[in-house]
Order: sequence, then structure tokens, then C-alpha cells
Amino acid sequence: EAGVAQSPRYKIIEKRQSVAFWCNPISGHATLYWYQQILGQGPKLLIQFQNNGVVDDSQLPKDRFSAERLKGVDSTLKIQPAKLEDSAVYLCASSPGWGDRGYEQYFGPGTRLTVT
Amino acid sequence: AQSVSQHNHHVILSEAASLELGCNYSYGGTVNLFWYVQYPGQHLQLLLKYFSGDPLVKGIKGFEAEFIKSKFSFNLRKPSVQWSDTAEYFCAVSFMTTDSWGKLQFGSGTQVVVTP
Repeated sequence: EAGVAQSPRYKIIEKRQSVAFWCNPISGHATLYWYQQILGQGPKLLIQFQNNGVVDDSQLPKDRFSAERLKGVDSTLKIQPAKLEDSAVYLCASSPGWGDRGYEQYFGPGTRLTVT
Repeated sequence: AQSVSQHNHHVILSEAASLELGCNYSYGGTVNLFWYVQYPGQHLQLLLKYFSGDPLVKGIKGFEAEFIKSKFSFNLRKPSVQWSDTAEYFCAVSFMTTDSWGKLQFGSGTQVVVTP
């Protein structure tokens, strides 16, 4: 089966600019996650979707970050305006959301964002 | 608040040496436990997982981990490492509270370098 797809793979922007990341999860996976991974740290959950509804966005800086999953499949994560501290790898993951393997998350390759 | 800690940030060892990476969490309730690996230039992959049952779990590539509930630990082991095991290893915990279903909290990672 095809894995989690993300684009772009790399992005360099200046502070105060905006940027958007795209994620296509594994077909049939109900749950989609966005993580932020700062260099030297483990991934930190930003937002979790179940189908097209938000389950948890408690760690999302809502003044500048937004995410949507309109049709319960693809998702976009946006940052506007970007700050220097947003430089990180943004990971998308998906999981079936049900059954014995419902808790297993499959990760995409990530988007490495550099804010200058 | 729940937390996940990995004791070693960097480990360097020779081929054929044994590997053990520590992972501890703070939470008295039910947990699901995972080890993920990230090989150079690749995305995060699931090594092994523990949900319930036998506390000694076996994963891919000869890795195993033991859940010791009394110590809140889930240590990863491999009896004899190979150069190809050079990677970053992340412990992740899903704290099974009413509002955290499926959500993963990651440790900060351990960079393992295996020398020929």
C-alpha cells in the first residue's frame, strides 16, 4: 500500500511570510496527525483529526497555525505569519482509527521548514 | 502532566555489541508503548509496540523491548547490532486517558551510531 505523502519536502521562507504544507494519508485511514519536530527533540503533536473533525488541537498555536481536513482525506497545515522558531520538520501521520491496529501511526517523510 | 524520557541522547558502539536504550514514562494508568526508528534520510518507522499481554515484545530487525510496569519503563534491546542499525530511536507513549485516544507523546530520541 502507498505510504503517507507530504509536500513540499523542503521550504525556505523569510519571517512573517506564510507557508502551507500538504498531506495525503494512507487510503482508508480515519485519523490524521500533524507533528512538529524541532532539531534535537522528539515530534510534538500539533493537531489530530478523526475523519474531518478535530479531536485535539490543544498544542496548536492558533494565532498563527491553522489546519483543515475538509473531505476527511487530504489535509493542509498553514503558518501565517511564520517566526524564526517555527523552523522545524513538520510530520504528517495517519492511523486506521479502529480495530487492533487502530493505534499504529504511519509517518510521512516530513517537510523541513527553514525560516530566515 | 504525563511525560516520556529517554536516558541517553547519543550512543556509540561497535558492531556485534549489545544495545539497550532506556525509556521511562510518568503515568499510573493504562498506556500503549511504541519504539520508532528513523534511519538517515528516511521517515519514522515503527519498530515494535506493546498494548497488553506478554511484556516482552519482539519487533522487526531483531529488536525486542520489555515493559516493566512497576518501573514505568519500556527499554529497547538488541543482542548484536549491525552498522545498518545506525539511526535515531524514539520511544513513544499513548496515555489512555478519556481525551487522549491514539495521541502519542514522544521522548527526545537517542542517536545511535554503530562503528564497523
